[in-house]
Amino acid sequence: ETGVTQSPTHLIKTRGQQVTLRCSSQSGHNTVSWYQQALGQGPQFIFQYYREEENGRGNFPPRFSGLQFPNYSSELNVNALELDDSALYLCASSTSRGYTEAFFGQGTRLTVV
Amino acid sequence: QKEVEQNSGPLSVPEGAIASLNCTYSDRVSQSFFWYRQYSGKSPELIMSIYSNGDKEDGRFTAQLNKASQYVSLLIRDSQPSDSATYLCAVNRQGGKLIFGQGTELSVKP
Repeated sequence: ETGVTQSPTHLIKTRGQQVTLRCSSQSGHNTVSWYQQALGQGPQFIFQYYREEENGRGNFPPRFSGLQFPNYSSELNVNALELDDSALYLCASSTSRGYTEAFFGQGTRLTVV
Repeated sequence: QKEVEQNSGPLSVPEGAIASLNCTYSDRVSQSFFWYRQYSGKSPELIMSIYSNGDKEDGRFTAQLNKASQYVSLLIRDSQPSDSATYLCAVNRQGGKLIFGQGTELSVKP
């Protein structure tokens, strides 16, 4: 059984650019959630995908968007990058959209300069 | 008031002691509760989940939940230097959204 994997692990982008982050969910998991973690803070919920549809969204602007594919892998896209978007982006997968345990990938460290 | 609150620490305990980490939450309809451990520069690792009032033990870890007081805690017995990390309390809201506290930094001194 493979765990949650994210790519890339590190990324440096220039303000105004666009970025795509990728996540492969754990085997048997159909739900993927994305979180943003700023330094010294707890992760903040961005959105969740369940069976290829968005199932809840946190307090993030529309320039944060996502997709989930039939194999339950997912992408997070961020347009018009701002300096404050610099953070650790975490993907978590779970077996359902409800109250079950969620397991995180290793994260993508995004730096916007 | 934050939805999930933790003392940021750092909490320092000697090796072999019991570390006690606390968390309060504001939403009474929260259904499930989790503790994650996060080493510096790494992603959160799930160490405990608890869904009903009372205690749940797993090895050196015990999670305690009191829904009436909206309080969840984590006890680490026989603390080891390898337990030094930030511990994140997370509450699962309806629909699966995890709300995290800011984390408590634990330092276990040899």
